Amino acid sequence: DGGITQSPKYLFRKEGQNVTLSCEQNLNHDAMYWYRQDPGQGLRLIYYSQIVNDFQKGDIAEGYSVSREKKESFPLTVTSAQKNPTAFYLCASSIGVYGTGELFFGEGSRLTVL
Amino acid sequence: GQQVMQIPQYQHVQEGEDFTTYCNSSTTLSNIQWYKQRPGGHPVFLIQLVKSGEVKKQKRLTFQFGEAKKNSSLHITATQTTDVGTYFCAGINAGGTSYGKLTFGQGTILTVHP
Repeated sequence: DGGITQSPKYLFRKEGQNVTLSCEQNLNHDAMYWYRQDPGQGLRLIYYSQIVNDFQKGDIAEGYSVSREKKESFPLTVTSAQKNPTAFYLCASSIGVYGTGELFFGEGSRLTVL
Repeated sequence: GQQVMQIPQYQHVQEGEDFTTYCNSSTTLSNIQWYKQRPGGHPVFLIQLVKSGEVKKQKRLTFQFGEAKKNSSLHITATQTTDVGTYFCAGINAGGTSYGKLTFGQGTILTVHP
């Protein structure tokens, strides 16, 4: 089945630790995205990538980093510089470039900082 | 910057009642998308509206895009318990410095009482 796979589904981290969330897609989509979801708020864009080896900051990129070495993969690192990292993280992809088509979401990764 | 406001934040209905959520943008949109997120799940694309004044229907769901392309609505007729979830609009900015930017509304959480 084609889709987006995120792992881990749940993650606990101590303050001061970096953590990397995995996102893999087999939809052959060019564009991939990372969103953060907090209760009562919409989805906020962290980073997006429209092509391999290139990515752009979204609205809340501070404290996060990404890489896009392969078309299928777009991992997100939550660094210790992120002041409030506890949230639900969603990875998405789209066929077209940013803002042109529907987003396909993974099942999400819930990060809790202890 | 672009803002997309969605109201109401919460809506409780009895099964069989109708439900409407409204989405208003501070800027003109090129198109607007709607997503549904079931409790504990991830957002799933419902529809995209592109034309001014466009109305689209999916069974009991009716989607409208305003004439000025700055607002949209989702109406559900005769709600069912399967309609429970959070409904998000996402607008794509038509011009200016935020051209092509996709911004999500805060979402409307729908609860349906049997």
